[in-house]
Amino acid sequence: GQNIDQPTEMTATEGAIVQINCTYQTSGFNGLFWYQQHAGEAPTFLSYNVLDGLEEKGRFSSFLSRSKGYSYLLLKELQMKDSASYLCAVYDSNYQLIWGAGTKLIIKP
Amino acid sequence: ETGVTQTPRHLVMGMTNKKSLKCEQHLGHNAMYWYKQSAKKPLELMFVYNFKEQTENNSVPSRFSPECPNSSHLFLHLHTLQPEDSALYLCASSQGATSGSYEQYFGPGTRLTVT
Repeated sequence: GQNIDQPTEMTATEGAIVQINCTYQTSGFNGLFWYQQHAGEAPTFLSYNVLDGLEEKGRFSSFLSRSKGYSYLLLKELQMKDSASYLCAVYDSNYQLIWGAGTKLIIKP
Repeated sequence: ETGVTQTPRHLVMGMTNKKSLKCEQHLGHNAMYWYKQSAKKPLELMFVYNFKEQTENNSVPSRFSPECPNSSHLFLHLHTLQPEDSALYLCASSQGATSGSYEQYFGPGTRLTVT
């Protein structure tokens, strides 16, 4: 079966750095997405990786290793507004998007 | 504002009621999706429409019936639901569905409670 694993919940301190990991086992790979979802709101697109390496976008970076079936989302200079769930999703060989259950990130002052 | 709107935002219905959820996208996309989101579970893809044609039905019970009259509008008709159908129902759209790794844009969702 196809599976995406992420930690259920993480806690970090305002101003710090946090890394949210995602591992996947899918039939084929056509790209990996990270989405942010604030409580009661729609998921919004953060990043897309299809090749190995690091993609940086402001305070957020996303890394991919296809050989290891592994990605992480790195959030720097954490702000209270970063408290949200972070969803990892992978396109399989049929361009079906497989979703993880999300990681709830709690930021403390 | 993502360019995808959903109504109603909240819905409480009894098990014998019939109701419909509406989704509209203003992005010029060709694909639209219905997802079910339950607490601490991955998003469950229910239906996919690509150029108004249904391309995916992930073994969804027949008490959920989708309708896509054009590429901008998507409906989910509900009848004789069960309490376990209570969840957040999200609509999304993207440029395409069956090829290409397109990002999906989500609406705010309808919080459905079945009593």
